[in-house]
Amino acid sequence: GNSVTQMEGPVTLSEEAFLTINCTYTATGYPSLFWYVQYPGEGLQLLLKATKADDKGSNKGFEATYRKETTSFHLEKGSVQVSDSAVYFCALSGGGSNYKLTFGKGTLLTVNP
Amino acid sequence: EAGVAQSPRYKIIEKRQSVAFWCNPISGHATLYWYQQILGQGPKLLIQFQNNGVVDDSQLPKDRFSAERLKGVDSTLKIQPAKLEDSAVYLCASSLRLGTSGQETQYFGPGTRLLVL
Repeated sequence: GNSVTQMEGPVTLSEEAFLTINCTYTATGYPSLFWYVQYPGEGLQLLLKATKADDKGSNKGFEATYRKETTSFHLEKGSVQVSDSAVYFCALSGGGSNYKLTFGKGTLLTVNP
Repeated sequence: EAGVAQSPRYKIIEKRQSVAFWCNPISGHATLYWYQQILGQGPKLLIQFQNNGVVDDSQLPKDRFSAERLKGVDSTLKIQPAKLEDSAVYLCASSLRLGTSGQETQYFGPGTRLLVL
C-alpha cells in the first residue's frame, strides 16, 4: 500500500537559516504529492502540491520538487522566520476512484529569533 | 469563501459514553472525508463520502464508529461507546470532486479535539 516517510523531528533552527525536511514515498501509479502545515491550535492547511514528476510546488517561500526517480518530495525554504514554526506533514494522494490522503508522521519545526 | 466548519472544537467524555461531531464542508464540494489524528501522528482516514455515498470506510472501526451524510452536504461522525484510545483530533476535509485532476485537493476544518477519560 501507499506510505510516506518523513525525517524525524523536532527540528530547531535560528531565524534566516536554511530549511530542508526530507520526505520519501511508496506508491503505485502516479500519486499527487502535498505538503500540509499545522500551526499551533489550528487545522491543517495546504502549503503546496505537485501532481506529476518534475513539477515544483511553491508557496510562501517554500518549495518542493516531485522526484519520481528518487520517490522524494523534500520541502525547502531558503530563510525561515519565527512565524514558520509549525508541524509540517508530507502526504500523497493516489489516483483511481479514491483520492484519500496518506500522511507522514509530521515534523515539528521551531524557529528561534 | 467560507472554509470547512466543525463543531464542537473540544469535547471531554468518560469511556463508554457516546459522542458526535458535526462537519459542514465548503459549499459545492462533493467529497467529504473524516480523519483521526492521534497525538504525534499524521491523520488517518476513517471514511470518505462522495455526495451521500460511502467511497471508502475500510479503516472505520464499525463496531463503535458510524458516520452519515444524508443530504450530501453536512456530515456527522459518532462514537458509541468511546474508549480511551479514541482520544484524538477528528478532522473533516472536503474536496471539489474526484476523478478530475487538480480538483481533488482537500481542505481541512479546524478539527474537534476529543479527550476520553
